[in-house]
Amino acid sequence: AQTVTQSQPEMSVQEAETVTLSCTYDTSESDYYLFWYKQPPSRQMILVIRQEAYKQQNATENRFSVNFQKAAKSFSLKISDSQLGDAAMYFCAYRPAINYQLIWGAGTKLIIKP
Amino acid sequence: SAVISQKPSRDICQRGTSLTIQCQVDSQVTMMFWYRQQPGQSLTLIATANQGSEATYESGFVIDKFPISRPNLTFSTLTVSNMSPEDSSIYLCSVSGQGDYGYTFGSGTRLTVV
Repeated sequence: AQTVTQSQPEMSVQEAETVTLSCTYDTSESDYYLFWYKQPPSRQMILVIRQEAYKQQNATENRFSVNFQKAAKSFSLKISDSQLGDAAMYFCAYRPAINYQLIWGAGTKLIIKP
Repeated sequence: SAVISQKPSRDICQRGTSLTIQCQVDSQVTMMFWYRQQPGQSLTLIATANQGSEATYESGFVIDKFPISRPNLTFSTLTVSNMSPEDSSIYLCSVSGQGDYGYTFGSGTRLTVV
């Protein structure tokens, strides 16, 4: 069965510092998509970044970047220059290419210390 | 990406009653997804709703308890029936983006059953 594991229930970082959130997944598929979503206290799920498995280049969106290690089935999120507005729950999600269902990790609560 | 309007944003309901949650999308989408998020937990898929066909329910969720309507390509409703305090959760609708550019979520409905 396909699973997504986020081993860090909570992380904290000083404002302006860099933090990395970890995510590993288990699949036998070769073609799939990976996502990081942010959920602030407002409940809105916001797409942070996505990665196609067939692309070797790591995705980057401004201060957010991923370290995608396909062989290790690892998909970590790096947040640079952390800001107070980054405080939220972060969910890693996996989607096989053959269907539309997302498989979610348990989430990591990110705390930003001013 | 699509914009979803989800209503109501929150409600407090008496046990034994029903609540209908609505999601309106600003563009036509084939598939809509309904999730439940219990306090402090990750997202659990309730069902997938395609226009013109019966919704597909995940294990542990049944149509009698969570009937879904999908009358057209821009609208869907989820009803939580015969509510009990265990149904207190956040309910979210979601649509898949074109070209697999992630998924868009409604703002969620926080349901409290007393």
